[in-house]
Amino acid sequence: KAGVTQTPRYLIKTRGQQVTLSCSPISGHRSVSWYQQTPGQGLQFLFEYFSETQRNKGNFPGRFSGRQFSNSRSEMNVSTLELGDSALYLCASSSKTGGRAEAFFGQGTRLTVV
Amino acid sequence: GQNIDQPTEMTATEGAIVQINCTYQTSGFNGLFWYQQHAGEAPTFLSYNVLDGLEEKGRFSSFLSRSKGYSYLLLKELQMKDSASYLCAVDDYKLSFGAGTTVTVRA
Repeated sequence: KAGVTQTPRYLIKTRGQQVTLSCSPISGHRSVSWYQQTPGQGLQFLFEYFSETQRNKGNFPGRFSGRQFSNSRSEMNVSTLELGDSALYLCASSSKTGGRAEAFFGQGTRLTVV
Repeated sequence: GQNIDQPTEMTATEGAIVQINCTYQTSGFNGLFWYQQHAGEAPTFLSYNVLDGLEEKGRFSSFLSRSKGYSYLLLKELQMKDSASYLCAVDDYKLSFGAGTTVTVRA
């Protein structure tokens, strides 16, 4: 079956702009989690959505938001971009919420803020 | 808060064994995952431990001691393709990751 698909793969944005990233989970998976990966901080949890509801949230400012649609596809939005937001953004889908099951990761979206 | 520690780098020769340790202090615990991530690629699942003891999966084994907050990933018969970053992740109703251990396999 198809894996987790993230679009776009690469993005270059200017400080102050906003960006929307998309994630299509594995068919049948209702949990989608988002992570930010940087060389210094590693993988940091942003938030998880399950059945269109945010179930858990990490320690990121309100500029980072997300949503999930009825087909389980999820989007992540970052407003008022800062240079420090440059990172690889990974989404992961799972059959269960709140961990407790293997997470399958997409290839990520590489965001560069200039 | 969450505290998950693992060594930054390890180097070993082809055919050898390497053990990557992970210690954790987290507010909750539902299990511990190990993921492998090659440069420029997505993390891929290696193992999941929820009970104490050793789980063996081919050349890879993972051990968990919940009372000690400790896990290790054992890579046997190392191959060049095992050069990657290995991520320890604690399941506390979300995945909290360590910073990762970069393993370099030399011929």
